[in-house]
Amino acid sequence: DADVTQTPRNRITKTGKRIMLECSQTKGHDRMYWYRQDPGLGLRLIYYSFDVKDINKGEISDGYSVSRQAQAKFSLSLESAIPNQTALYFCATSVLGLAGGPEVTGELFFGEGSRLTVL
Amino acid sequence: AQSVTQPDIHITVSEGASLELRCNYSYGATPYLFWYVQSPGQGLQLLLKYFSGDTLVQGIKGFEAEFKRSQSSFNLRKPSVHWSDAAEYFCAVGPYNTDKLIFGTGTRLQVFP
Repeated sequence: DADVTQTPRNRITKTGKRIMLECSQTKGHDRMYWYRQDPGLGLRLIYYSFDVKDINKGEISDGYSVSRQAQAKFSLSLESAIPNQTALYFCATSVLGLAGGPEVTGELFFGEGSRLTVL
Repeated sequence: AQSVTQPDIHITVSEGASLELRCNYSYGATPYLFWYVQSPGQGLQLLLKYFSGDTLVQGIKGFEAEFKRSQSSFNLRKPSVHWSDAAEYFCAVGPYNTDKLIFGTGTRLQVFP
């Protein structure tokens, strides 16, 4: 089983509908992220959360909201979907490493992505 | 402005040939640099990273990258490409805590037999 699981993997919806993408992780990481991938634009950060009570906007948060229900769960919502939100969405986790310590990583662990199409 | 540039959108190589994917960055502080690979239908996976020390870093799957501060580059290399290396490759730069990781636009690698 994947350590970072995203549901649904594919969704087609209509303009104006509310959509929720869910992410759960079994890695025990505190930090979770939502990215959006568009062809030719790479990945852009939407929201990130360092723990359940800490939510932060990323580069492109307009039109999105998030909820950190538990350490292991981080959901992304589109309250009223529009066609230019058609994209591939990734959830990721990370653990803050301590300089010189055993967990010096800076590494993001990604889910397999959720492809959203808004008609 | 902080940015990552991957000048090659698409690269095609023959299996067994050598590979170099270019990455240039603009970053005000000490950069932490990463290469990720995205296989078709998959999420991104870390290939290698550079924080400090030896400027030539080894990663998984036989990849290596060299940090050149004077050129603001972190190019990815592999001496002999395998068909399974066909994927999209992303360079990224950021601070140590990753909340501001900046990704390049990616280079798609196609491998011919």
